[in-house]
Formats: sequence, C-alpha cells, structure tokens
Amino acid sequence: DSGVTQTPKHLITATGQRVTLRCSPRSGDLSVYWYQQSLDQGLQFLIQYYNGEERAKGNILERFSAQQFPDLHSELNLSSLELGDSALYFCASSVDTGGNYEQYFGPGTRLTVT
Amino acid sequence: AQTVTQSQPEMSVQEAETVTLSCTYDTSESDYYLFWYKQPPSRQMILVIRQEAYKQQNATENRFSVNFQKAAKSFSLKISDSQLGDAAMYFCAYSLAPGTYKYIFGTGTRLKVLA
Repeated sequence: DSGVTQTPKHLITATGQRVTLRCSPRSGDLSVYWYQQSLDQGLQFLIQYYNGEERAKGNILERFSAQQFPDLHSELNLSSLELGDSALYFCASSVDTGGNYEQYFGPGTRLTVT
Repeated sequence: AQTVTQSQPEMSVQEAETVTLSCTYDTSESDYYLFWYKQPPSRQMILVIRQEAYKQQNATENRFSVNFQKAAKSFSLKISDSQLGDAAMYFCAYSLAPGTYKYIFGTGTRLKVLA
C-alpha cells in the first residue's frame, strides 16, 4: 500500500458525459501528479500540482482539467468523454516537486467510456 | 526532446535465471534521474530502482541492479534469481533534476517468468 488513495476504482460512463476522479496523496506529500495509461501503453503525464498550484502540464486535453485543494487532495475532471478516453488513470504523490523525489502511485481508476 | 525507448515488448526468463531488460534514452541534459517501475497484474506501479545520472556507481536493490552507461544513454535492468512474482510489465522512466518537472515513461517490457 503506497498510501495514495484514488476513488472510484472503476467508472463506467457514456460518451459525452463528465466524470471526476479523486486522489488523496500520502500524508505529508505536497505534490500530486496525474497520468493516463491506455490499454497496453506506457504512462502519459497529464498534469502536476504542488501545494495547490499547477506546476507542470503534459499531454492533457482541453476537455480535461484538474485542481488541488487546500487539504492537498486533487481531482481530475474529464468532460465530453469519448471512447478513446477509456484508460487507467493514475495519481501519484511526492513530498516535493522535482524529478529526484520518488513518486508513490495510487491503485488507479479504471474509466470505461461506452 | 527527451525520449525513452524500450525495444523489447516482451521477454521470458526461467525461474532462478537472470534476465536483462533494455532501456535507452535521449537527452541533452547532464543532470537527470532514471527509474525502473514494475507494474504487476494488479496494475499498481511500484518503484524498483532509481539511478542519479551524476553517480557513476550502478544502483542495486537486492536482486535488481542496473547497468547505467551515461555516454551511451543506456539504462538496463538486471534481475537475478528470477521469481514467479517478478512477472510484470516493467517501465523505464526519465526525469529531469529538481525544480524542473518532466517525467517520461517508456512503453514497457512485459516479463514472463517460466516455472
């Protein structure tokens, strides 16, 4: 158990809908990262927050947005969902920002868009 | 642009034998970090080992060790005394130094362990 929690574990929804994925980082970690892993693919970095502020953006679609709240939990919002958005979405956290800090991954949320 | 390449989509190893997974990367930076992550069927991402580019000594963690060749931009993972529990997807990842976030994963190598 990494200490990072993600809810829900599974989500099935229809095209055009909007969903929210939630992540609670490890206690004491200030940085949260979101990744997308499509079937049998590597992880694609979406976005990073550090202590409530957006710190870096990767290949995140405009239909997707995220935020980190004062209690440091984070939410990833996916809207106007398409079939291709079906994937495993991981949240990770680290104590600080920067590549030298180990990222601890949550168990992921599996999103299925039908 | 930085890239990470894992040219072996799948590898097999006999239990108790040794296997090496390959990873190459491309960067113009001199200070960076390299990682190997394991993703078992549970899909949980687990850090196996990390290497700081400024360190010449290869990192080791129990049965896992790396062969880091900075000039060749190569970062291979050696698993000794392979166990059935080592069966998983293995991802190589690259990250820049502190203060700059850029974390790039390779496409993964699926390791099968044969009893």
